[in-house]
Amino acid sequence: KNEVEQSPQNLTAQEGEFITINCSYSVGISALHWLQQHPGGGIVSLFMLSSGKKKHGRLIATINIQEKHSSLHITASHPRDSAVYICAVGNTGNQFYFGTGTSLTVIP
Amino acid sequence: EPEVTQTPSHQVTQMGQEVILRCVPISNHLYFYWYRQILGQKVEFLVSFYNNEISEKSEIFDDQFSVERPDGSNFTLKIRSTKLEDSAMYFCASPSWASPDNEQFFGPGTRLTVL
Repeated sequence: KNEVEQSPQNLTAQEGEFITINCSYSVGISALHWLQQHPGGGIVSLFMLSSGKKKHGRLIATINIQEKHSSLHITASHPRDSAVYICAVGNTGNQFYFGTGTSLTVIP
Repeated sequence: EPEVTQTPSHQVTQMGQEVILRCVPISNHLYFYWYRQILGQKVEFLVSFYNNEISEKSEIFDDQFSVERPDGSNFTLKIRSTKLEDSAMYFCASPSWASPDNEQFFGPGTRLTVL
């Protein structure tokens, strides 16, 4: 079973487009993380959320605890945003569950 | 900016051999994690470590695996008798302060290839 589901699995966008990646989870969580994995494999944390909304530059992350759903938005997308975006949740038992990732390609 | 480091970057070993993967977390972090990612698959949680003992472990983390913090700085993952299916990228990570809910800092990973 998948505790974390992401959609879409793959996404291709034109430069400048507004992008949304969705994440739904089925476990009780203490925090939700959005991560970025580059083609070389390195993982970078983008956001940690436990409620509401966070913004960092062109990236916005929201979470709805009642609906067990989070979204990651990228405004004015750029080719350098091309990467795999991963949703991960930490539960109160200090375990983490990861989504399968959304592979984003932004075309110039 | 402080960073998590991992060594080696790539390890090739024969099936049945023991391997030790090393991580140097950011110095004032208290929680530590190991994750693995088999090629083409999602990242999977292996184990969390706090106060010099295992906090949580997944079903993957069986008796072949062990973790240690031998000298207060290094954090190691040992696989006693490697299997072909242990081939994966192994990431070490720690959250930014004394709470597992904080932003996680990931190391660059060790690619383990078991032949």
